[in-house]
Amino acid sequence: EVQLVESGGGLVQPGGSLRLSCAASGFTVSSNHMSWVRQAPGKGLEWVSLIYSGGNTYYADSVKGRFTISRDNSKNTLYLQMNSLRTEDTALYYCARVGDWMGFDYWGQGTLVTVSS
Amino acid sequence: SSELTQDPAVSVALGQTVRITCQGDSLRSYYASWYQQKPGQAPVLVIYGQNNRPSGIPDRFSGSSSGNTASLTITGAQAEDEADYYCNSRDSSGDHLVFGGGTKLTVL
Repeated sequence: EVQLVESGGGLVQPGGSLRLSCAASGFTVSSNHMSWVRQAPGKGLEWVSLIYSGGNTYYADSVKGRFTISRDNSKNTLYLQMNSLRTEDTALYYCARVGDWMGFDYWGQGTLVTVSS
Repeated sequence: SSELTQDPAVSVALGQTVRITCQGDSLRSYYASWYQQKPGQAPVLVIYGQNNRPSGIPDRFSGSSSGNTASLTITGAQAEDEADYYCNSRDSSGDHLVFGGGTKLTVL
């Protein structure tokens, strides 16, 4: 059974950093495309970042230069390092597996990031 | 701003058919995927590719595409279909992914 479990969210001050983790089971992270998607309170879904199985990475303009997506093959875990956080980064962050058609077939339950002073 | 445009809200009578649309230039080149999200829950994939349903998704859900518009059709809407629906695809550059703004479906 495919499962994605996010962790690492919390309250952080503007300008601070957090690292989100997404532990996967039932499939191999490094053999799949993986992504982070966020949802601000009461708002829609926003794509954040993508890592292809081959290792290429892509970012939304809103986070480029501040966020870094990576994976640890030995731990079968996806990460999102978030630096220089802004209040507008406050959201529920989901990790999701990405199919070859560039849609998201499995989602975690999300981890909440709150950026506030 | 999103490169994919959806109507903010749509309503349908119980048992009737409803179409939810998603417009964007990138849809001329790429298929859309569709997600259902109920309050407090993670999104669930309901349609992907040309018109494919993941295992467990009822066959009343179907997808289609024409020009710059992708559509999700629910034939015989049920009360449990009341939810927010999002489309996603690649953006015009092909390197990034993008979501539509979402459509809130109300089943009357």
